[in-house]
Amino acid sequence: AQKVTQAQTEISVVEKEDVTLDCVYETRDTTYYLFWYKQPPSGELVFLIRRNSFDEQNEISGRYSWNFQKSTSSFNFTITASQVVDSAVYFCALSTQGGSEKLVFGKGTKLTVNP
Amino acid sequence: DTGVSQDPRHKITKRGQNVTFRCDPISEHNRLYWYRQTLGQGPEFLTYFQNEAQLEKSRLLSDRFSAERPKGSFSTLEIQRTEQGDSAMYLCASSLQAYGYTFGSGTRLTVV
Repeated sequence: AQKVTQAQTEISVVEKEDVTLDCVYETRDTTYYLFWYKQPPSGELVFLIRRNSFDEQNEISGRYSWNFQKSTSSFNFTITASQVVDSAVYFCALSTQGGSEKLVFGKGTKLTVNP
Repeated sequence: DTGVSQDPRHKITKRGQNVTFRCDPISEHNRLYWYRQTLGQGPEFLTYFQNEAQLEKSRLLSDRFSAERPKGSFSTLEIQRTEQGDSAMYLCASSLQAYGYTFGSGTRLTVV
């Protein structure tokens, strides 16, 4: 069975602070995909990143960066110099290859960036 | 391409009534998924179609729930005899094989 744990329920920071959102996953499959989604108050899920299990290279996209470590089954997400517009609920998700490739989501981390 | 569309955005219904939601996926996407999200939780998988075939259903999908995707295009999700526990956001997503989901904005159901 697959499982995603986001231990941080809520985080509050002041604008321009860096913040890291933690994600730990469980799967017995050797081929899998990890995702991060952003859900602003309007409700839609916005895709941020997809990584496969064979690519442990860290990725940076503007103020966003992701650290994938198979040794600790973690896929953490860092926002550098946070902004008020980053306020949202962030979800980490896992899918495995073959079959439906449905997503298994964590419970999400609510990030509030205060001015 | 306007993305994944869901209709209605909001639905309030009385307990015991039937409701139907519609999802229009991205036109070239052959896979369509339904998820349910309750307050404070992540989305949970309900069911999945590849073209018109419903290939997987979650244990969460009780007998009161039925989903269809005629002709492999739009999909409908019907809930019969709604209960208060059905109150949630119902999210639809589509994808082309395994290459990334696109989610719709969801239908928020409130059962009173």
